[in-house]
Amino acid sequence: SAVISQKPSRDICQRGTSLTIQCQVDSQVTMMFWYRQQPGQSLTLIATANQGSEATYESGFVIDKFPISRPNLTFSTLTVSNMSPEDSSIYLCSGVTGGWNEQYFGPGTRLTVT
Amino acid sequence: SQQGEEDPQALSIQEGENATMNCSYKTSINNLQWYRQNSGRGLVHLILIRSNEREKHSGRLRVTLDTSKKSSSLLITASRAADTASYFCAPVTGNQFYFGTGTSLTVIP
Repeated sequence: SAVISQKPSRDICQRGTSLTIQCQVDSQVTMMFWYRQQPGQSLTLIATANQGSEATYESGFVIDKFPISRPNLTFSTLTVSNMSPEDSSIYLCSGVTGGWNEQYFGPGTRLTVT
Repeated sequence: SQQGEEDPQALSIQEGENATMNCSYKTSINNLQWYRQNSGRGLVHLILIRSNEREKHSGRLRVTLDTSKKSSSLLITASRAADTASYFCAPVTGNQFYFGTGTSLTVIP
């Protein structure tokens, strides 16, 4: 298994500013993902964080809005840029490990944009 | 879409009763994983069942998988108030996870 921590756990931000969320895994994982979850909804995959290279973004998400870094196998950051109230959500990072690709999640970052 | 679909969307039971949630999906999978999410928190990995397995147990959890029907079920026995949460299935194909919209379980003390 893997234990994943996220910082900050929550934040309230002004429109037009940016927030960087950090994700730390206690062991090496093969893949790391970033998700967004609106209240009462399922998870929407934003991107796969690739170690040492550009992230792979899902349809509807772009690097300029959600730049992602993954400098090593246990750490990644997601920046939410030029925020608007529509970006208010829970942001979750996850890591995949094991031969059968078990996915483990961080506790989430609750973002409110005013 | 490969997205898992949970059924029912919401379930309310008395403490001590069993809770059953179902998940259906559309194409072939490598495995299927179940998660629990308490309100506003991250997802907790509950159990993984491989495509060549039919049943798996973990404590009070029992998961079944029927690949011919493309369906899975999660049974929680002797439910407790602390089991109140949303439960998600995620059919997995390669590196792709397809989360459904979840079942919201309420266990009434």
